[in-house]
Amino acid sequence: QQPVQSPQAVILREGEDAVINCSSSKALYSVHWYRQKHGEAPVFLMILLKGGEQKGHEKISASFNEKKQQSSLYLTASQLSYSGTYFCGTGVRGTNAGKSTFGDGTTLTVKP
Amino acid sequence: KAGVTQTPRYLIKTRGQQVTLSCSPISGHRSVSWYQQTPGQGLQFLFEYFSETQRNKGNFPGRFSGRQFSNSRSEMNVSTLELGDSALYLCASSFEGQWAFFGPGTRLTVL
Repeated sequence: QQPVQSPQAVILREGEDAVINCSSSKALYSVHWYRQKHGEAPVFLMILLKGGEQKGHEKISASFNEKKQQSSLYLTASQLSYSGTYFCGTGVRGTNAGKSTFGDGTTLTVKP
Repeated sequence: KAGVTQTPRYLIKTRGQQVTLSCSPISGHRSVSWYQQTPGQGLQFLFEYFSETQRNKGNFPGRFSGRQFSNSRSEMNVSTLELGDSALYLCASSFEGQWAFFGPGTRLTVL
């Protein structure tokens, strides 16, 4: 069962902040985030492996709440280059370790 | 390290034909997953190969098959193509399968 992302779409002005949420009905082992620009392949942003883990890359960070089975991606002081579709992927333990399931994506548009 | 490569990048086929797509993972990566991406359906998991064995399979008909070679390169085959098979097919490479580096994709158009 695929994770649910919200919102489906966000429109921002440069410099504004955004939060994208990803939740699952299944117990999660890992959450990973990707960004896909139009006509390109998804690019790996980061993975969170432990409940409570937070990671960041420049002005993009994420958190993973294992108990709530959800993760959030935070984009601060957005730049035009942040535009694209953001996907969360979720992983489980054991034999299904390689079967990542992706949300439907959140389209982020940053305007000047 | 070189990234994930996929060939061909574009394909045009007609209904009923078959097609084979190829994926070369990042050197040292043993897991290769395949995804179908369409505007209405997002990223749909096809299957994953790990050390030449199919480890996971998605909910696609048997017309979709794959294999992995000893050098970790993987191929995906679709037989008896249907119009609905038109999509971007993405291959993802990872060391053990938890997260992935995607190739540029093969855009398949079925006429």
